[in-house]
Amino acid sequence: NAGVTQTPKFRVLKTGQSMTLLCAQDMNHEYMYWYRQDPGMGLRLIHYSVGEGTTAKGEVPDGYNVSRLKKQNFLLGLESAAPSQTSVYFCASSPEVKVGTIYFGEGSWLTVV
Amino acid sequence: LAKTTQPISMDSYEGQEVNITCSHNNIATNDYITWYQQFPSQGPRFIIQGYKTKVTNEVASLFIPADRKSSTLSLPRVSLSDTAVYYCPTRGSQGNLIFGKGTKLSVKP
Repeated sequence: NAGVTQTPKFRVLKTGQSMTLLCAQDMNHEYMYWYRQDPGMGLRLIHYSVGEGTTAKGEVPDGYNVSRLKKQNFLLGLESAAPSQTSVYFCASSPEVKVGTIYFGEGSWLTVV
Repeated sequence: LAKTTQPISMDSYEGQEVNITCSHNNIATNDYITWYQQFPSQGPRFIIQGYKTKVTNEVASLFIPADRKSSTLSLPRVSLSDTAVYYCPTRGSQGNLIFGKGTKLSVKP
């Protein structure tokens, strides 16, 4: 059982380039999330989805877009990467919000130069 | 808006019991209290959750008083491998978990 899988794990981008981070979960979870983690800042929610075809903004959505075309996949896009988006990105999924237990992927390290 | 407060860091030695306390400001009546553990270069991992009183699993114990304004994560006989950041997230207005900065536990030999 793979759980939550993120690709790629590492990526270096030039300022202005675009890229997409892919998150896949095999637990049939309804809810999926993208967080970013920066030194000393904890985990901050970028976007989330409460089901296939739905997306919503989190705490720090600017500069990112997401799509949830299939229940098992949640894509995070950077249309024009900026150095401020250098971070570690974590995808997560959960069966429902109120349960409180969410499952994280291993992270994607993104550097924008 | 619900908010939690926990110590930024704690030090311990192998074999000791470690208790990390989190204060829960305005926790929702029907919300569970959860704790997560994060090792370097990994995503956070759920370790325990509870609603009231005491919960114990193979990893830790969780103590929650009747007023639910705080919770204490107890790690019995810690080892070097318990060095990690521990989070007691709160629920945001969108239903998401807000993790904050967590407590960095350093276990020394």
